[in-house]
Formats: sequence, structure tokens, C-alpha cells
Amino acid sequence: DAGVTQSPTHLIKTRGQHVTLRCSPISGHKSVSWYQQVLGQGPQFIFQYYEKEERGRGNFPDRFSARQFPNYSSELNVNALLLGDSALYLCASSLESPDRDTQYFGPGTRLTVL
Amino acid sequence: QKEVEQDPGPLSVPEGAIVSLNCTYSNSAFQYFMWYRQYSRKGPELLMYTYSSGNKEDGRFTAQVDKSSKYISLFIRDSQPSDSATYLCAMSGYSGGYQKVTFGTGTKLQVIP
Repeated sequence: DAGVTQSPTHLIKTRGQHVTLRCSPISGHKSVSWYQQVLGQGPQFIFQYYEKEERGRGNFPDRFSARQFPNYSSELNVNALLLGDSALYLCASSLESPDRDTQYFGPGTRLTVL
Repeated sequence: QKEVEQDPGPLSVPEGAIVSLNCTYSNSAFQYFMWYRQYSRKGPELLMYTYSSGNKEDGRFTAQVDKSSKYISLFIRDSQPSDSATYLCAMSGYSGGYQKVTFGTGTKLQVIP
């Protein structure tokens, strides 16, 4: 079975631009969470979606938004990019809500903002 | 104070050694405890998942949870060079109306042949 897939693998943007990151969960998984991992740090929670509804949002500015589609795939959007947004963006899926099931991570999208 | 504290290392051990990785936490609401392994430039891979105090063993890996002390550990026996990676502890608890997963900063481990 395919694991969590993310696209693109790498992305280079300039300050002020907008970016869209995509995630396909493991087949049958209904929950998707997004994390930001800055070099040398653990992943920081951004959003959690379950059955296409936002369940939780971390301490990130409104420039960050996300959505989950009927097929359970998800997009993370970041507007007005700042240098500090450079990080590895991770998507994780779980069968049900993450509190009952373990999360499986994708390989991440490495975003560089110049 | 961070909710989850983890020594960033780096930790360097000879092949075959027993490795002990630790995290402490302050939030009593944490119910589930996980250990992830992350190779360079890859996503985290789940190693162990526990929800109660005590020990859980899986091959060379043993996860230990002490809720009374708010302390969790991961032991790796007979460590191998392929174990060289960053190890992240993670904890899940109900917060703000949903179950939130909080990660430690990760401990970088190097196993020397």
C-alpha cells in the first residue's frame, strides 16, 4: 500500500509569494494533520482535519490556511511568505481521529523562501 | 517552560551499545506517548506507541512510560549503525477541543561501527 504522499518535494519561493502544498493520505485514512519542522526542531502542529472539517489549529498566523477534499486529500496554503517560513512541511494521516489512531507521516515538502 | 523537553544531543555510541533516550513533560493531560525515528531529510517514522505507564517491547526497542514522574524513555539494545537518526518523542492530549500531538525537539543519535 502506498504511504502518505506529498507534493512537491522541494520548492523555492521569494518573500511575499504564495505557496500551495499538497498531501494524499493513506487509502482509507480520514484524518490529515499538517506540521512545520524547522531545522533542528521537532514538528510544530499547524492544522488537523477530520472528515473534511477543521478540528484544530496551532499557533500560526492567518497567512496559513488549509482544507480537506471529499477524497480526504488536503492542501496547505501559505500567503505572503516570510523568510521564517522556510522549513520542512509534513503531512500526517490517521485512520480515524489522531487521538485514537497513530499518525503516519509523509516525506515532507522542503520550502525555501529567499 | 516547554510542554515537552528532550535533550537534543548529539549522542554518539559504539555499535552494540544500549542507548537510552528520554523526554520529560509538564502537561498532565497527555494520554498517548509515541517515539518516532527521522532520518535526514525524511519524514518521521513511528517506532513505538503506548498509552499507559509501564514498559512496551518491540524487538530491540523498549518504550517506558512513568506518568507519575512525567517521564518517558526509549531504550535501544544492540544498537546498529542503521539506528543513526534523530529520535523524536511525541505526546497526545486533549486541548482546546481536540487531541493535539506535541513533539520534543528530537535527539540526534550516531552509532559508530
